[in-house]
Amino acid sequence: NAGVTQTPKFQVLKTGQSMTLQCAQDMNHEYMSWYRQDPGMGLRLIHYSVGAGITDQGEVPNGYNVSRSTTEDFPLRLLSAAPSQTSVYFCASIRDTEAFFGQGTRLTVV
Amino acid sequence: GENVEQHPSTLSVQEGDSAVIKCTYSDSASNYFPWYKQELGKGPQLIIDIRSNVGEKKDQRIAVTLNKTAKHFSLHITETQPEDSAVYFCAASMSSWGKFQFGAGTQVVVTP
Repeated sequence: NAGVTQTPKFQVLKTGQSMTLQCAQDMNHEYMSWYRQDPGMGLRLIHYSVGAGITDQGEVPNGYNVSRSTTEDFPLRLLSAAPSQTSVYFCASIRDTEAFFGQGTRLTVV
Repeated sequence: GENVEQHPSTLSVQEGDSAVIKCTYSDSASNYFPWYKQELGKGPQLIIDIRSNVGEKKDQRIAVTLNKTAKHFSLHITETQPEDSAVYFCAASMSSWGKFQFGAGTQVVVTP
């Protein structure tokens, strides 16, 4: 039982490049979320999903896309990376009210 | 929308002393208040939570109190130990969809 697995752990992108952050959970949870963590700002919700095929925007969705084709996977896509997207990204899988976070992806956009 | 403020941003305590972190929230509809602990290089992990129909909850050395009227809640850690050193986040939520509004975090350092 791996919980929530995020890949990659580290990534450096050039401005304008696109990439997908992967998130997979093996707990059969319906709810999943993506957060970004920036110094002094806590965690901010990017997108969330309440089940396969259903996604919605969070607090800071601009520049990011998500899809949820299966219960297990919830990838986050950066369409055209910008330096402002330099951050640590956390995926969470939610059971009832408890969020189980992955180890995070540290993304640097240069 | 909901806004959560957390204080202090850093907290240094001597081992064995108590630590208190305070959070305030803005939306009276929020009904669930978790606290997460984040160790270096790891994702946040739930340590304790409280719902709006309860005023206080305790789990060994940690406790959380909630004042709905004043819209604030606090985390209390007693008999602190070096392994309590971490970043602590409070959060508020109105649903079970994983939509949390987090505070900015408190870096707790426990010195021997």
